Order: sequence, then C-alpha cells, then structure tokens
Amino acid sequence: DIQMTQSPSTLSASVGDRVTITCRASQSTSGWLAWYQQKPGKAPKLLIYEASSLESGVTSRFSGSGSGTEFTLTISSLQPDDFATYYCQQYNSYPLTFGGGTKVEIK
Amino acid sequence: QVQLQQWGAGLLKPSETLSLTCAVYGGSFSDYYWSWIRQPPGKGLEWIGEIIHSGTSYYNPSLRSRVTISEDTSKNQLSLKLTSVTATDTAVYFCARRRRGKGYDSWGQGALVTVSS
Repeated sequence: DIQMTQSPSTLSASVGDRVTITCRASQSTSGWLAWYQQKPGKAPKLLIYEASSLESGVTSRFSGSGSGTEFTLTISSLQPDDFATYYCQQYNSYPLTFGGGTKVEIK
Repeated sequence: QVQLQQWGAGLLKPSETLSLTCAVYGGSFSDYYWSWIRQPPGKGLEWIGEIIHSGTSYYNPSLRSRVTISEDTSKNQLSLKLTSVTATDTAVYFCARRRRGKGYDSWGQGALVTVSS
C-alpha cells in the first residue's frame, strides 16, 4: 500500500495569507495525486487532479505541484471560504489511499 | 449535472450486515469508476473499494473479507455490503465516482451508519 502523509495536521492562518500544505507518499504515485477540500458535514470537493490540474469550476487561488513522492497544495491568498480540511489522495495503485488531512483554521 | 443519492439503514447492531445503495441520476454509469469511501466521526477518509465498468472490483485489504461492492447498470445503482459490523465501522459512508486519471469529482450526500448494541 502507498502511505500518504500530510503536514501540517493543523494550520492557523489569516485571510490573505499564502498557505502551503505538503503531502508525501511512501512510494511514487506517478503523478496520480488529487487534492480535496472538505467542510463540516459535507462531502469532499475535488480541487486538483493529476498533481497540478485544476478541476473545472475551482478558483485559481488553488494550485498543485510536485511529482514522484512529494506534492504541495498552495492557496495563493486565503479567503474566508477556504477555512476547511484538505486531503490528498493517490490513485496510482490499489488500494487507493488518502492523507490524514490538514485543517486550516482562522488565526 | 450528475447527482448521487444514497440510502440505507442508519443503525445496526454488532454482527449485522451494513447495506447501502447509491443511485446515479443525470450521468453515464458505464464511463466511470464507482467507489465507497467512509469517514469515522471526527476522523479522516478511508477508501473502502471500487468497481469499474468491466465489473471488476478492488477492495481495501483491511476490509476485503467482509465487503462486497456491486452494480446494477440497468438501474444506474451501486451497492455496498459490509458483514459482521462492529463499533469501529461507525462512520459516514460516501459513494463517489471518478474517471480514469482523475480524482473523485462527484460524491453522494453521505450516510451516517452507527453500530451500537
């Protein structure tokens, strides 16, 4: 199984901040890496797929980068609607696996 | 716009079988991979398994002995059965779809299943 490790687990930031979340895989995902945003009581929302491709309809404040085993999600200027929990997920090989999540809180 | 609507029993006793159904409205069933994912209260996401259009299924090894995912393409429905449940199976269960090469772009509303004696 490919283990996905996110850091930090919690992040405190202010509106307007640039925020970066890291996801490390225990082995190469060949770029098959997605990022999701989840708000309390809601299903996750796909933000980024294939490590850096922005899902249709998602604001360009979100960007993804990385390859191999290390990936990042960047929010260029944090907005009030962005306070949520973020998950990475590899879909290179079964079983598909998620990172443990990063909660972005208001500072 | 595709919609995924889930239903099933919300309260089970230990050793019973969890059974959930997910109906797909407004989208093609055969062009996608269909999955079940769960989230224990206050915790992260756990992938349960996936069925692809050929009917082939893949499961999380930690659940493989107890889980079955099936599809009814005539009804555009996806089903999950998890046998011999315990309290550790208490979670919100989501159905979700993805295309090959992409993440999960559509999700059901989630269904809380509680296992308690």
